[in-house]
Amino acid sequence: DSGVTQTPKHLITATGQRVTLRCSPRSGDLSVYWYQQSLDQGLQFLIQYYNGEERAKGNILERFSAQQFPDLHSELNLSSLELGDSALYFCASSVRTSGRDTQYFGPGTRLTVL
Amino acid sequence: GDSVTQMEGPVTLSEEAFLTINCTYTATGYPSLFWYVQYPGEGLQLLLKATKADDKGSNKGFEATYRKETTSFHLEKGSVQVSDSAVYFCALSGNGAGSYQLTFGKGTKLSVIP
Repeated sequence: DSGVTQTPKHLITATGQRVTLRCSPRSGDLSVYWYQQSLDQGLQFLIQYYNGEERAKGNILERFSAQQFPDLHSELNLSSLELGDSALYFCASSVRTSGRDTQYFGPGTRLTVL
Repeated sequence: GDSVTQMEGPVTLSEEAFLTINCTYTATGYPSLFWYVQYPGEGLQLLLKATKADDKGSNKGFEATYRKETTSFHLEKGSVQVSDSAVYFCALSGNGAGSYQLTFGKGTKLSVIP
């Protein structure tokens, strides 16, 4: 158990809908990263938050957005869903030692868009 | 940009065989290097890491050495078990600009047969 929690574990929805994925980082970790894992694209970085502020953006679609709340949990919002958005979505939180980050992953949310 | 190339799978080995999964990277500066493992139906678990040249990461009998001269971080295990069957991902993270998002290889599926 990494200490990172994600809900829900599975999500099935229809095209055009909007969903929210939730992530709680390990106690004391200030950074949250979101990744998408799909068969064709592999594991791709979406976005990072650090202590409530957006820190970096990767290959995140404009239909997707995220935020990190004062209690440090984060939510990833996916809207106008398309079939191609079906994937595993992971969040990770990180601890920094000696200037280097190590990320610990949650169990993921499997999104199926029908 | 940063990239990670790892050997294509799947790899099938008999129990107690020697394992090598090759990983090479392209990055500026001095990235941190990681191996993550994904067991069937589960999330990503950190297997081992190395943060500077010639560092050796090790865990559960797995080892990898950070070779800057060959930009490689090959994963090895002397004697694999059926329980090692999983997908293995090589990854790197940068060392600056405030964000340390991971860049992953495509993954190598390992199957160990009794």
